[in-house]
Amino acid sequence: NAGVTQTPKFQVLKTGQSMTLQCAQDMNHEYMSWYRQDPGMGLRLIHYSVGAGITDQGEVPNGYNVSRSTTEDFPLRLLSAAPSQTSVYFCASRRGTGRNNSPLHFGNGTRLTVT
Amino acid sequence: AQTVTQSQPEMSVQEAETVTLSCTYDTSESDYYLFWYKQPPSRQMILVIRQEAYKQQNATENRFSVNFQKAAKSFSLKISDSQLGDAAMYFCAYRVTQGGSEKLVFGKGTKLTVNP
Repeated sequence: NAGVTQTPKFQVLKTGQSMTLQCAQDMNHEYMSWYRQDPGMGLRLIHYSVGAGITDQGEVPNGYNVSRSTTEDFPLRLLSAAPSQTSVYFCASRRGTGRNNSPLHFGNGTRLTVT
Repeated sequence: AQTVTQSQPEMSVQEAETVTLSCTYDTSESDYYLFWYKQPPSRQMILVIRQEAYKQQNATENRFSVNFQKAAKSFSLKISDSQLGDAAMYFCAYRVTQGGSEKLVFGKGTKLTVNP
């Protein structure tokens, strides 16, 4: 039972480089999302999706792109990495959308450092 | 804008004792959901307990319980019989659906230390 799988676990980028953080879930969850966690800031929502072909912005979307071509996958793209994007990134999914109490299932996170 | 405030950056408790972590939130909505998540040093985010705003009864999960005060917009977490494995960061989270969009807001967390 894999749950939510994030790759890679660690990544170091140089300023201006691009990369994609991968996220896959095998629970057939409709809702998927990306968060960043910075010291003293809690988790902040970057982008989310309520189903294949549907995405929306969260609290801190600038500098990131997402797409949802399948139910299982929700990659996060950094177009031109900046030191301010140094953070720990979490992907999370949950059953259903809208009004239900289903909790988020989190991946193990990706620690990204931009130099 | 919805906000979630955890006023205690750090807390400590003796093993086997009880500790309460506070959480307040700001909202004009009446239908929403509240969660407590635990993040141990392994970095994994783990659901501890959840509460629906329309339910008056406080949620309980084994040694974990909440005190949900809707009018006061307060959602505290009580950990009874604390164990060394409870040491972690604890995050309070608020979720509401408005039209077609969803807002999920986390507090900044409380670091809990359990002393043997």
